[in-house]
Amino acid sequence: EAGVAQSPRYKIIEKRQSVAFWCNPISGHATLYWYQQILGQGPKLLIQFQNNGVVDDSQLPKDRFSAERLKGVDSTLKIQPAKLEDSAVYLCASSLRRLAGGYEQYFGPGTRLTVT
Amino acid sequence: AQTVTQSQPEMSVQEAETVTLSCTYDTSESDYYLFWYKQPPSRQMILVIRQEAYKQQNATENRFSVNFQKAAKSFSLKISDSQLGDAAMYFCAYRSAYGGGADGLTFGKGTHLIIQP
Repeated sequence: EAGVAQSPRYKIIEKRQSVAFWCNPISGHATLYWYQQILGQGPKLLIQFQNNGVVDDSQLPKDRFSAERLKGVDSTLKIQPAKLEDSAVYLCASSLRRLAGGYEQYFGPGTRLTVT
Repeated sequence: AQTVTQSQPEMSVQEAETVTLSCTYDTSESDYYLFWYKQPPSRQMILVIRQEAYKQQNATENRFSVNFQKAAKSFSLKISDSQLGDAAMYFCAYRSAYGGGADGLTFGKGTHLIIQP
């Protein structure tokens, strides 16, 4: 079974530029998550999709961050314009639709963003 | 809001020895799930072990086991017979059972585990 795919693996941009990250979840996984992991910290949830609908985006900085999951499969996370504090690893995860609970979230390898 | 605290930024253990990583959490909920994830330098988060709060029995997975103390809101991870491949960042995570569909994980800051050969 193929895992969660993310691209690019690394990205360096200047502040005020825009950037986009792509995620392809495990086949059949209806739920998709984007996390931000700043150096030295644990991941923080940015947004959760169930199929192509947003379930939770309470921690997404909506003035500069946007995300979409067209057709309920692939997802794109965009930052526009980027700030220095956006330097982090962006992790995508997916899971099967909720059943009895306790299901596992499978993580991708992440995209390391450096804003200069 | 729930919080997860890992008070040990770094731990070191000799190969083949046993090490325990600490985690405490704060919640007003009675039903939830707790997880330990491993993150090697490759950045891939890997699930190590999970615990359902309604289960009193501590979870075990081969060399990995937890000590879940619900009243104390404590969830420690014990690694027995440590191996060089266990070296990584370890994150404790919490997930509510009442999210109504919103079920993102809340992570601690992590513990860097070093295995001395």
